[in-house]
Amino acid sequence: GDSVTQMEGPVTLSEEAFLTINCTYTATGYPSLFWYVQYPGEGLQLLLKATKADDKGSNKGFEATYRKETTSFHLEKGSVQVSDSAVYFCALMPRRAQKLVFGQGTRLTINP
Amino acid sequence: DGGITQSPKYLFRKEGQNVTLSCEQNLNHDAMYWYRQDPGQGLRLIYYSQIVNDFQKGDIAEGYSVSREKKESFPLTVTSAQKNPTAFYLCASSRDGATDTQYFGPGTRLTVL
Repeated sequence: GDSVTQMEGPVTLSEEAFLTINCTYTATGYPSLFWYVQYPGEGLQLLLKATKADDKGSNKGFEATYRKETTSFHLEKGSVQVSDSAVYFCALMPRRAQKLVFGQGTRLTINP
Repeated sequence: DGGITQSPKYLFRKEGQNVTLSCEQNLNHDAMYWYRQDPGQGLRLIYYSQIVNDFQKGDIAEGYSVSREKKESFPLTVTSAQKNPTAFYLCASSRDGATDTQYFGPGTRLTVL
């Protein structure tokens, strides 16, 4: 079945460090791919998405590229801030399906 | 302001009681969803509805029930048959069932004592 595997957390970085959170997926066909962010005690916010191979999603300095050949959608940011501390979820939606399939989440802490 | 509201934010119930979680949206979205989140895990789909008066089971529907009498509202009832009801419950909506982007509400944390 469809599945998403994320880099295990927690991840702790210093402010202005480079961030990568790995995400790989297993799916039939060509799913849409998403990154959501969850701040403490809140719901999920869509961070970025990509709907086809080689698409790059970007938002608030975060980027992720849909790599069909490696079935990956790694999240990157060049210089993180304390306010980026949150839990990040990678997810996919199969074609012609309404269900989002989530990874287990990666907790990110940025120290000043 | 357009968005999804869930109430209450925190809910406590005694074991054996049914409890209903509210989800309302004013985005004019056709599709609505309920997810469950447990500590250190991703979200799992409980139920979803693509149109009024229609809904389908997700991956973990046992012990839950829903209704969709109005486009704006998709309440979730956690019944006494749900073995481990303590969790964070998230409601989401999307423009239609075929649209891939789902938008989430702030969640309700249910604790069963």
